[in-house]
Amino acid sequence: GAVVSQHPSRVICKSGTSVKIECRSLDFQATTMFWYRQFPKKSLMLMATSNEGSKATYEQGVEKDKFLINHASLTLSTLTVTSAHPEDSSFYICSARGHVGTSGGLAYEQYFGPGTRLTVT
Amino acid sequence: GQQVMQIPQYQHVQEGEDFTTYCNSSTTLSNIQWYKQRPGGHPVFLIQLVKSGEVKKQKRLTFQFGEAKKNSSLHITATQTTDVGTYFCAGGYTGFQKLVFGTGTRLLVSP
Repeated sequence: GAVVSQHPSRVICKSGTSVKIECRSLDFQATTMFWYRQFPKKSLMLMATSNEGSKATYEQGVEKDKFLINHASLTLSTLTVTSAHPEDSSFYICSARGHVGTSGGLAYEQYFGPGTRLTVT
Repeated sequence: GQQVMQIPQYQHVQEGEDFTTYCNSSTTLSNIQWYKQRPGGHPVFLIQLVKSGEVKKQKRLTFQFGEAKKNSSLHITATQTTDVGTYFCAGGYTGFQKLVFGTGTRLLVSP
């Protein structure tokens, strides 16, 4: 199956600093990548959708200047949490969607990265 | 906007018992997907349903898509401890790239 990696898996940073999280599709080209945030025992909250080479589309209530998303290539998207504060502490998960397989029948399936646990102190 | 609700939020069963989670969308879906997230892990794709009334089976798991394409269910027969985790449905809507994830059902299976 398709593999998506995320780096780092865990990060602890001080309040006011910025943190960059990378999401890579390892064996397929991801035309679209999604960034989610998940609180403990809660569902996934979509933050933004990014298409390669274009600006990300942010969900309502998500600050685009705080959560910078770059989708520079078909295999890499980055999320930068700028001027992080303790309330930004969360589990951030990316997913990638592309045409996987010969039939294209799984075009809508999302492959998730392992997630990044961010703790802001 | 689109909303996807799931019930129950949590279920604790004895190994061997059956389990069902129900998913309901506020608006008509183009497709529904199901994911499983183990404790401490990330969501893993299980299946996608596209057709009205569709039923798909994966070993002990049976997935159904409602006739009106607004609801879906996942049924597990004879649960095992390896079934532990949170099951999410995720709705796809015509004209939208994104999936809207349901609230999830956390399943605990006791041996």
